[in-house]
Amino acid sequence: DVKVTQSSRYLVKRTGEKVFLECVQDMDHENMFWYRQDPGLGLRLIYFSYDVKMKEKGDIPEGYSVSREKKERFSLILESASTNQTSMYLCASSQSGISYNEQFFGPGTRLTVL
Amino acid sequence: AQKVTQAQTEISVVEKEDVTLDCVYETRDTTYYLFWYKQPPSGELVFLIRRNSFDEQNEISGRYSWNFQKSTSSFNFTITASQVVDSAVYFCALSLSYNTDKLIFGTGTRLQVFP
Repeated sequence: DVKVTQSSRYLVKRTGEKVFLECVQDMDHENMFWYRQDPGLGLRLIYFSYDVKMKEKGDIPEGYSVSREKKERFSLILESASTNQTSMYLCASSQSGISYNEQFFGPGTRLTVL
Repeated sequence: AQKVTQAQTEISVVEKEDVTLDCVYETRDTTYYLFWYKQPPSGELVFLIRRNSFDEQNEISGRYSWNFQKSTSSFNFTITASQVVDSAVYFCALSLSYNTDKLIFGTGTRLQVFP
């Protein structure tokens, strides 16, 4: 059974804290994604990685950074959390180089910044 | 610009009713791919279907069917004889031929099926 796992389902942090969200996939996928999901806005891409140590900005990268040191792991970092980063964060992975490229999603991390 | 519009924010139906979720997309590309995902209350998006722009055949899978019409840039999703387990948020998404790794999502439609 293929899996994308995220380190926490719920997380509460304080303004100014450094926050790490971890994502691991076991499908040997090249591509990994971090999305943010907010009511009425759907899923918005924060960052995308197509290989180890490679990353590309998505639509809303401001206030976030990412790290991909191993193929199976993709971390999202909030350097200094702010209340407007309270949201649901979804990680996904997909295989590269195939036209029909479905993404597999993790269960999400609901982050609250107080 | 590429865009996916799901105008229906929320739909409520009673079990056994049929329901159609609308999806309208915008792209100037001639080659593209369309997807539907389901997000149940557990939170994890589940892939339902993909369709490429050259295949306008409608598809049926059990109680689910999809109607792809290039003339109206629509890729609508119908659930026949809805069930409570169909309650979820449904997302339509678009990917482009030159960048098939990325998905452009619509804002989602929340479907509530009442017993």
